[in-house]
Amino acid sequence: GQQLNQSPQSMFIQEGEDVSMNCTSSSIFNTWLWYKQDPGEGPVLLIALYKAGELTSNGRLTAQFGITRKDSFLNISASIPSDVGIYFCAGRTANAGGTSYGKLTFGQGTILTVHP
Amino acid sequence: DAGVIQSPRHEVTEMGQEVTLRCKPISGHDYLFWYRQTMMRGLELLIYFNNNVPIDDSGMPEDRFSAKMPNASFSTLKIQPSEPRDSAVYFCASSFFSYSSYEQYFGPGTRLTVT
Repeated sequence: GQQLNQSPQSMFIQEGEDVSMNCTSSSIFNTWLWYKQDPGEGPVLLIALYKAGELTSNGRLTAQFGITRKDSFLNISASIPSDVGIYFCAGRTANAGGTSYGKLTFGQGTILTVHP
Repeated sequence: DAGVIQSPRHEVTEMGQEVTLRCKPISGHDYLFWYRQTMMRGLELLIYFNNNVPIDDSGMPEDRFSAKMPNASFSTLKIQPSEPRDSAVYFCASSFFSYSSYEQYFGPGTRLTVT
């Protein structure tokens, strides 16, 4: 089946530093989503990407849809303690009308720790 | 607007008992998903529904697992009989159909412990 390779698995950074993480796949995706999960909570949607090459920002977060459609990147600028959590990428292959329209494939997550 | 609602938030049960997890999707959403999250396997899609109809249940691990969606605002995931290896966090998520976008929203999860 489809697999997403997310890296790094974990990051330990100082407050104020920038963060980069990425996901790669052997399959082409039409949609990339990035989520953040806090302890004891469900994943929260951060950014959605729909076109190859697309660059989208949400506050200090910026994500890009790779031009090969097989990868995506998430950057966090000027990290703060509340950025701590697990970040997941998710990809979707099917377009509207396909039988697998709703299915997402998730990466294994990047655990982010921010030291004050 | 209320997000996806799940109950209970925590469930502790003994092996062999029946467990029922409940989910209320976001109003107006026509897709509902059940996931399981463990340290070893990460987030796994178990089953998803479109307009209350199961579309893909290939992720349901065994016949002990069953899911229903009797109406647009309610779904259940049942495990009978439960086993210790079923211990995990179970998430429900929902989304709406759109040609131009795709966003899937998760509930807070139910942490299941089977002893």
